[in-house]
Amino acid sequence: RKEVEQDPGPFNVPEGATVAFNCTYSNSASQSFFWYRQDCRKEPKLLMSVYSSGNEDGRFTAQLNRASQYISLLIRDSKLSDSATYLCVANTGNQFYFGTGTSLTVIP
Amino acid sequence: NAGVTQTPKFRILKIGQSMTLQCTQDMNHNYMYWYRQDPGMGLKLIYYSVGAGITDKGEVPNGYNVSRSTTEDFPLRLELAAPSQTSVYFCASTASGYEQYFGPGTRLTVT
Repeated sequence: RKEVEQDPGPFNVPEGATVAFNCTYSNSASQSFFWYRQDCRKEPKLLMSVYSSGNEDGRFTAQLNRASQYISLLIRDSKLSDSATYLCVANTGNQFYFGTGTSLTVIP
Repeated sequence: NAGVTQTPKFRILKIGQSMTLQCTQDMNHNYMYWYRQDPGMGLKLIYYSVGAGITDKGEVPNGYNVSRSTTEDFPLRLELAAPSQTSVYFCASTASGYEQYFGPGTRLTVT
């Protein structure tokens, strides 16, 4: 079983739409969680950390459910510039485990 | 503050050749990582280091070697390159459980 699993998509949404991505992790000992954004042929960059209490950064909201071992990312009012691949990451011990990524394309 | 730097950006190797991918960070992070990313796939951990002089294998270490003689540098060595090692290689660093900072990547083709 993969450490982190996420729906690869692709998600094609119109500008202004709300889109949600989900991700599950298999190791209950995982300590911290992140969403990264990766543009085509570029390095991953941190979008936001994910906390049990939920956290929001502008149009982005991340949630962590430790009981069900899933992480979510909600993007409101999608912009063309949000088109990218979104990677879910779980930190367990000294290692970080990446999902395969969810592809998002925002359409004009 | 340059963050994480990687060289070279691109390289083409012939089968059986060797090379070293360089990675340097200037954030005084103890933890450093090497990943490979194949097209349409997630990042797979090759090797990691929790500090100078300490390295450990990740998920896909075969065909690679690393060393960590200083906090700043974490080179990845490919011996006897094979077509299966064609990939994009990312180096990353972190201060223990916090966000990882990635270098721009090295695109390697083995033919």
